[in-house]
Amino acid sequence: QKEVEQNSGPLSVPEGAIASLNCTYSDRGSQSFFWYRQYSGKSPELIMSIYSNGDKEDGRFTAQLNKASQYVSLLIRDSQPSDSATYLCAAPQSGGSNYKLTFGKGTLLTVNP
Amino acid sequence: DGGITQSPKYLFRKEGQNVTLSCEQNLNHDAMYWYRQDPGQGLRLIYYSQIVNDFQKGDIAEGYSVSREKKESFPLTVTSAQKNPTAFYLCASSPPEGGGYTFGSGTRLTVV
Repeated sequence: QKEVEQNSGPLSVPEGAIASLNCTYSDRGSQSFFWYRQYSGKSPELIMSIYSNGDKEDGRFTAQLNKASQYVSLLIRDSQPSDSATYLCAAPQSGGSNYKLTFGKGTLLTVNP
Repeated sequence: DGGITQSPKYLFRKEGQNVTLSCEQNLNHDAMYWYRQDPGQGLRLIYYSQIVNDFQKGDIAEGYSVSREKKESFPLTVTSAQKNPTAFYLCASSPPEGGGYTFGSGTRLTVV
């Protein structure tokens, strides 16, 4: 069983700060990684995907991938109270395929005004 | 607008009863999935289907059944054999070229 593990949190940051969310994965063959945001009582929403080593930026969000260390992270700059949610990291169960994502248990982020 | 529709949003099941959760997508995605979410447990894969008339068990398939008679539809039946069905059920789909899942809005099932 391939595993995806996230820092358990909860994580609390003040408004305007950088929130850093971390994830490690066990399958060295994994080629794609995804970050989802889930508000309380709602379904997950895809916010970032990353496929190659390095950084990928989209607005206030930056995903970082280090395949050698089997580590993927999500940075949220200028955190806003609306960013308060659970963030889920996901990677395919079977190497490079997009099928059968395994999800981490999530990290609850609270941004305090 | 394209998306995934799950119904009902809330469902109550009596002991010993089978219930069916609906999932319909108009994204023209080949692959569809059912996940279960419990507090503190993350998402766990129940069943998945990569093509019409074919589906495979996920990590926690016992007590559940599915069908995939149409590309757009992937209903999940929670049978009386599932001893702890109270959970949030999420249906998702994905295109073959990758890019992550699109999720439906979920069905919250409670045993009464």
